[in-house]
Amino acid sequence: DTEVTQTPKHLVMGMTNKKSLKCEQHMGHRAMYWYKQKAKKPPELMFVYSYEKLSINESVPSRFSPECPNSSLLNLHLHALQPEDSALYLCASSQLGQKETQYFGPGTRLLVL
Amino acid sequence: KQEVTQIPAALSVPEGENLVLNCSFTDSAIYNLQWFRQDPGKGLTSLLLIQSSQREQTSGRLNASLDKSSGRSTLYIAASQPGDSATYLCAPAGAGKSTFGDGTTLTVKP
Repeated sequence: DTEVTQTPKHLVMGMTNKKSLKCEQHMGHRAMYWYKQKAKKPPELMFVYSYEKLSINESVPSRFSPECPNSSLLNLHLHALQPEDSALYLCASSQLGQKETQYFGPGTRLLVL
Repeated sequence: KQEVTQIPAALSVPEGENLVLNCSFTDSAIYNLQWFRQDPGKGLTSLLLIQSSQREQTSGRLNASLDKSSGRSTLYIAASQPGDSATYLCAPAGAGKSTFGDGTTLTVKP
């Protein structure tokens, strides 16, 4: 099974709301990633978790707060977002190591009003 | 900072043609390079991963090559089909992260 699942598929939120995105994998991968993708642009890395610890934060604003409660689950908590944060949020996972393929979920389409 | 360029940005071909997509990157200190396809509004599907020590990798009608020293990779698609229509992204990986090119949007006409 090479599946990464993401919920919800779509999310509409106001600038004062608090919401969370969820990502799950059961492949035993120990690295998990959040990417942001704007329309007609490539994915941009936001965060990397290795062994449930945050290893890379690409200078993402604090209104995005990642969490990795266990090796299968990755959350992205959203608070006080701006309309320009509207995008497709993609989660990925991989084994650790230089030979390993990243597997992506289908994404959550976020609209901030 | 790694910069990745993909040429062409868009490509339209008739069904059955063989084609080549190009990817160049500025920092050769990579440990692998991955090619993905993305259908509109969907996530990314991994096609091929080439390790830095490899020259090429094949899967079915796809063949990817890597010349790390010159910072180039190509994706060759043989006998293209309408189902191959998608955006193709290359992503060299180094220092714990991947950097994506802008992609090549391929349209294969029946």
